[in-house]
Order: sequence, then C-alpha cells, then structure tokens
Amino acid sequence: DAKTTQPDSMESTEGETVHLPCSHATISGNEYIYWYRQVPLQGPEYVTHGLQQNTTNSMAFLAIASDRKSSTLILPHVSLRDAAVYHCILRASSSFSKLVFGQGTSLSVVP
Amino acid sequence: DMKVTQMPRYLIKRMGENVLLECGQDMSHETMYWYRQDPGLGLQLIYISYDVDSNSEGDIPKGYRVSRKKREHFSLILDSAKTNQTSVYFCASSLSGPFSYEQYFGPGTRLTVL
Repeated sequence: DAKTTQPDSMESTEGETVHLPCSHATISGNEYIYWYRQVPLQGPEYVTHGLQQNTTNSMAFLAIASDRKSSTLILPHVSLRDAAVYHCILRASSSFSKLVFGQGTSLSVVP
Repeated sequence: DMKVTQMPRYLIKRMGENVLLECGQDMSHETMYWYRQDPGLGLQLIYISYDVDSNSEGDIPKGYRVSRKKREHFSLILDSAKTNQTSVYFCASSLSGPFSYEQYFGPGTRLTVL
C-alpha cells in the first residue's frame, strides 16, 4: 500500500469548516482513498472513501485532486465530538486487502 | 444496530500465561480482522479471517493464533504471552467482495503482560 502524508495536528473552533489535507503522490490506479477517524479509548470509525470523483455523505465531503496525488477531507460545522485523529489511507481494490493506518492528523476543536 | 463487541475490555496477565481475546459481530460479515495498536506504530494487522475456518496471516502473526468456528465469533489466542505483546487489540469486520469498503471496529481490548 502506498504511503500518505498528513499534518500531525490541526486546531479549529466549533462551527468552523475544517479542511484536512492528505498527500499521496505515489498512489496507484487501483487504490482507493479512505478516511477513518479515531477518538481515544475507541476503535477507528469509517468516515468516507473515494476513487476519482469527489464524494459526500452525512459526515464529510471528500475532495480528490484531478491527478489523484492529494485529497482533502472537509468537515462542515465541526463540533466538539469531531475531535479525533483522522487517518488518510490508501487501499487497493482487492477484496481482502488490509487497512494500513499511519499516525494521522490529530484534530482538536475548541468551543 | 450494527455492532462489533470485544471481551474483555481490559486484561492483565503475567508473562507465560495464555490469553484469549474474544470478538463478536451481529452483521453476518464474512470477513473479520485482528489488529494491534501501539503508540507511534499505527494499526498492525495480525490475522484476517475470510469465513469459518478460513484464516490467513497478516503482517505480524508471530506469537498469535486465531479461531473462527462461527461466522459471528473470532478469537485471538496468545499462547504463553510475552511482555512485548502488551498492546491495544482491535477486532474488525466487513462484508466481502465489492462491498467490503467499510470495516467496523470494536472498542478494543487493552492487554498488559507483566
């Protein structure tokens, strides 16, 4: 699985829209971009994923660069519950490939 | 409610003792996983199970074995635990095939080996 690069930490204020960047310059054509988040003392939680097109769901908007070498997870109107470590992960399209978690970005949210 | 459960949540064992970690899921997922998480190392895959009695080693299987006799249960066994197996262990499950994009994780088991 190819490597991703994320900032170690970011801070935001409640109600703001947060942009979490991820660089994946060596991504392969069959690799999807996944985002998971993890709060202390809990297991990781799936946020979203995409291949080429931007995607949106109830949790976030995923913007993928046209060359797929970077992506941005956009969290609208963050709350204190959004404080977590956000992991950007590349995963091949084979059915049983594992998730390889790095250090992720620790997002803190202040009132 | 889709759920992955893990038992126990906290466990302290002495070096050389046997350890059994249990995982259950109520989603009839074919695929289940065991990971461990250590500070500075992210999650590391120990074993994958594709279905009952169909298991495969992950990246760090040494010192561990698994058992899956029912689709909803997946056990991790440490025979003669070592101090370097102190870690947080996460179980996860997912569908198979093209719908396997989301892995559901349990809350973790915090194991300390003294």
